[in-house]
Amino acid sequence: NAGVTQTPKFRVLKTGQSMTLLCAQDMNHEYMYWYRQDPGMGLRLIHYSVGEGTTAKGEVPDGYNVSRLKKQNFLLGLESAAPSQTSVYFCASSWDTSYEQYFGPGTRLTVT
Amino acid sequence: AQSVTQLDSHVSVSEGTPVLLRCNYSSSYSPSLFWYVQHPNKGLQLLLKYTSAATLVKGINGFEAEFKKSETSFHLTKPSAHMSDAAEYFCVVSPIILTGGGNKLTFGTGTQLKVEL
Repeated sequence: NAGVTQTPKFRVLKTGQSMTLLCAQDMNHEYMYWYRQDPGMGLRLIHYSVGEGTTAKGEVPDGYNVSRLKKQNFLLGLESAAPSQTSVYFCASSWDTSYEQYFGPGTRLTVT
Repeated sequence: AQSVTQLDSHVSVSEGTPVLLRCNYSSSYSPSLFWYVQHPNKGLQLLLKYTSAATLVKGINGFEAEFKKSETSFHLTKPSAHMSDAAEYFCVVSPIILTGGGNKLTFGTGTQLKVEL
């Protein structure tokens, strides 16, 4: 039981490049989330999903897209990376919003 | 609407002394409340949660928190700090709902706990 895993752990992009972050969970959770963490700002929700095939915008969705084609996977895409997207990205999953969220180890992204 | 305020961005204690990390919340609905801990370069781990049962909640590693509705607070405490408690702590609020409606967690900005010898 691996819990929540994220790929890759680190990435450096140039401005304008694209990339996809992968999140996988093996707990059969319905809900999955993508957050970004910036110093002094806590975690901010980018996008989330309440089940396979569904996605919704969170607090800071601009510049990101997501897909949930399989229940266990939640992908976060950056189509044209900008330096403002330099951050640590966390994926999480849960049974429902009143239940605890399980977090992945994070992806540290730097955009130059 | 909901929000969380962590009243201290940094707290420093000596090993063996009590820890108090303060959190106030606001929510239009009856909330679920959580405390998460994040050690350096790690993901977040749940310490404890309140979901409308007992108002005094016990968590892992000797931490506990008390839900006080009249004060809209959910402060985190520990009787005796250990060096391994040094980390960042996040207070989190979510409305309690019965079925998935897309409601989301709202995170506080975090409190960095430093434990000195």
